[in-house]
Amino acid sequence: GENVEQHPSTLSVQEGDSAVIKCTYSDSASNYFPWYKQELGKRPQLIIDIRSNVGEKKDQRIAVTLNKTAKHFSLHITETQPEDSAVYFCAANSPGGYQKVTFGTGTKLQVIP
Amino acid sequence: DTEVTQTPKHLVMGMTNKKSLKCEQHMGHRAMYWYKQKAKKPPELMFVYSYEKLSINESVPSRFSPECPNSSLLNLHLHALQPEDSALYLCASSQGLAGWGKNIQYFGAGTRLSVL
Repeated sequence: GENVEQHPSTLSVQEGDSAVIKCTYSDSASNYFPWYKQELGKRPQLIIDIRSNVGEKKDQRIAVTLNKTAKHFSLHITETQPEDSAVYFCAANSPGGYQKVTFGTGTKLQVIP
Repeated sequence: DTEVTQTPKHLVMGMTNKKSLKCEQHMGHRAMYWYKQKAKKPPELMFVYSYEKLSINESVPSRFSPECPNSSLLNLHLHALQPEDSALYLCASSQGLAGWGKNIQYFGAGTRLSVL
């Protein structure tokens, strides 16, 4: 099955700096890559997603890039704010469908005011 | 309404008890999911129902029994659980169709389960 690795496991940045979280996936046939944010004690919420026919997608301060050849995808958060502090999970779908996604191990982002 | 509602929020049960977790959505979604999340770990998929039929079972022990009575409801029946089953149980739903934007999963707030 699909295997998703995520780095770093923890990340501390100063408010206003950028944060980058990286993931790799194992199955080259995966074609859907969502990112979820989970605040402490809250539900995971989708913040951005990308399909394999697109190399980059941006939504305000958040962007995701995908390198299909290297099987890498990354989340970029610019101008970080304290409310960005949370655990971020990348995920990749199992080929042939969109329902089964495998999550990465998570990155705990702390934005220091 | 993008709400997935789970009840109860917290549940404590003994190893010999039988209990049920409930999940409800009114977004017209036709795919519903159960995940298990241990502390500081990612959600792990347990079951997927698509159009009220079980489509994915991730080799979950039979002490967990899912049920989808209709397109809006999803239950997880629990029996003879072990202490290691203590976790946050998350329900999610998606439109259930292929195609861009139709597979976004919306999560409920979860049921925090403690097995004594």
